[in-house]
Amino acid sequence: NAGVTQTPKFQVLKTGQSMTLQCAQDMNHEYMSWYRQDPGMGLRLIHYSVGAGITDQGEVPNGYNVSRSTTEDFPLRLLSAAPSQTSVYFCASSYLTGGVYNEQFFGPGTRLTVL
Amino acid sequence: ILNVEQSPQSLHVQEGDSTNFTCSFPSSNFYALHWYRWETAKSPEALFVMTLNGDEKKKGRISATLNTKEGYSYLYIKGSQPEDSATYLCAFDNGNNRLAFGKGNQVVVIP
Repeated sequence: NAGVTQTPKFQVLKTGQSMTLQCAQDMNHEYMSWYRQDPGMGLRLIHYSVGAGITDQGEVPNGYNVSRSTTEDFPLRLLSAAPSQTSVYFCASSYLTGGVYNEQFFGPGTRLTVL
Repeated sequence: ILNVEQSPQSLHVQEGDSTNFTCSFPSSNFYALHWYRWETAKSPEALFVMTLNGDEKKKGRISATLNTKEGYSYLYIKGSQPEDSATYLCAFDNGNNRLAFGKGNQVVVIP
């Protein structure tokens, strides 16, 4: 199993550009999520999905869109990039056991710089 | 926004010494408490998922305890080694499908 994969690993954008960060998992996990990591902050949840066709907002959703058309894929779209979106982005997946989510499996991260 | 606090924020430990740090979380609507280990330039990796008050879990020299009634968990490292240098994250699950992460405990083990 490849686990959770993310592309690209690095990206530089200009203010106002749009792009999609890709995330895929091959573990058949129901739950997928996107976090951003900024210096001095914990991991902050952007959006999450509990299954194909279902998405919801996390703590910091503004400026981002997601979709979940398949169990495997959960892309994150930046609509109009801003310097405040410079960050490291992590995708993660998990699965339910007895009504509780198990540990999250994280992808390798995407380092995004917006100029 | 759920308040998950980790202390101390950073600590330096001499090789061979034992250490511990704390994660505080809301004591209501508890579902689970996660601990992750995060090495520089890598992704967080799960250490423990704890669900029951009084839980104690162990992986090698690292162990964790859980008190859901008072809202805290301790992570212990016994006989610290340089490879234990990492940031340790805790995350609180209150059953709303969202994990709330603390800012982490950064551990540097000095050889």
